[in-house]
Amino acid sequence: GEDVEQSLFLSVREGDSSVINCTYTDSSSTYLYWYKQEPGAGLQLLTYIFSNMDMKQDQRLTVLLNKKDKHLSLRIADTQTGDSAIYFCADVSGGSYIPTFGRGTSLIVHP
Amino acid sequence: DGGITQSPKYLFRKEGQNVTLSCEQNLNHDAMYWYRQDPGQGLRLIYYSQIVNDFQKGDIAEGYSVSREKKESFPLTVTSAQKNPTAFYLCASIGDSSAEAFFGQGTRLTVV
Repeated sequence: GEDVEQSLFLSVREGDSSVINCTYTDSSSTYLYWYKQEPGAGLQLLTYIFSNMDMKQDQRLTVLLNKKDKHLSLRIADTQTGDSAIYFCADVSGGSYIPTFGRGTSLIVHP
Repeated sequence: DGGITQSPKYLFRKEGQNVTLSCEQNLNHDAMYWYRQDPGQGLRLIYYSQIVNDFQKGDIAEGYSVSREKKESFPLTVTSAQKNPTAFYLCASIGDSSAEAFFGQGTRLTVV
């Protein structure tokens, strides 16, 4: 089946930028998402990008999409300790409407 | 406020028992999904339903059952056939406009 891959851990210092990377295999992906999960909670949508876009910026968040390489990244500027969480990349194909998730990247922010 | 409600938040099950996890949404979404989350494995799809009275198996449906008698409700039953049921279970729904998945807060099931 289709697959979404992420690195499992990222550690940054408070105030630095964080970049979380994701690759996907489904060439028919129409929507790509970033979700945040805090301990013991459900997933919260951070941002999303349509497959016909290259970049989307939303306050401290920047999403870059390289459709040729099937690579998606999430950059968090001025990372804060409150950004510590698990971040999931997900894609949805145009026909199925079934979200496929990566394993999640644990972001640890050091003071 | 619109959203998805999962209950209970914590659930304990004895071996050999069936238990049912509740998922209710008031977002008027047609599609609903159940995922299982284990540490380091991300979210795996158990069952999904894209319309009332219809549902499909996901990647790990064995030992689980669902029903979709109402648009708002998609309960998941974890049967005694599920050999390793201890996990965090997440319910989601998707609307038609953006395919954004809305999630409940999850149910943590523990076998005792």
